[in-house]
Amino acid sequence: DAKTTQPPSMDCAEGRAANLPCNHSTISGNEYVYWYRQIHSQGPQYIIHGLKNNETNEMASLIITEDRKSSTLILPHATLRDTAVYYCIVSSGGSNYKLTFGKGTLLTVNP
Amino acid sequence: KAGVTQTPRYLIKTRGQQVTLSCSPISGHRSVSWYQQTPGQGLQFLFEYFSETQRNKGNFPGRFSGRQFSNSRSEMNVSTLELGDSALYLCASRFAQGTGNTEAFFGQGTRLTVV
Repeated sequence: DAKTTQPPSMDCAEGRAANLPCNHSTISGNEYVYWYRQIHSQGPQYIIHGLKNNETNEMASLIITEDRKSSTLILPHATLRDTAVYYCIVSSGGSNYKLTFGKGTLLTVNP
Repeated sequence: KAGVTQTPRYLIKTRGQQVTLSCSPISGHRSVSWYQQTPGQGLQFLFEYFSETQRNKGNFPGRFSGRQFSNSRSEMNVSTLELGDSALYLCASRFAQGTGNTEAFFGQGTRLTVV
């Protein structure tokens, strides 16, 4: 079973920030938070990951709460091409590495 | 840098047959993982290979197997195909050293239809 909880769907206006929440209350100390997205029938696309500090890259920002039990993915200026299913995943590295996908959040960006 | 390449992109097989799917990882990546995606079960982890050894395995029957070659390319095989094996099969590669946590990059998948 997935270790994360996400809302099934969200809407966002084009040009506005999209804030996607994720709950991972049972996260272990060595587990990272990963975000991927999948546009219909394509392979998942890596967005960002982090352990405890907030992270930012050219695609998005990841805000992780101090207790690490939840996080928020922020797309600062959503475009129509950001419409996709977004997956929040927790995973450890090493020989136990695997990505356990839940149902994700369908983000629809509206014009 | 070229991405993860999966071949073929589409495949139609008959029940009872077997199939082999191929995955070429990003250059320098030694870890290759396989996933199955169906409308009912979503994305599920099949197995991970690292340096030609299977390191981790998901909850799939023995009909699903894989291997990795010395150049890190990987193949997965499904024997005695069932209708329920119809799915998008995805391969992901990552640069994995020791216990480090690195991101995985996915290919576009192979769409398998069993008739």
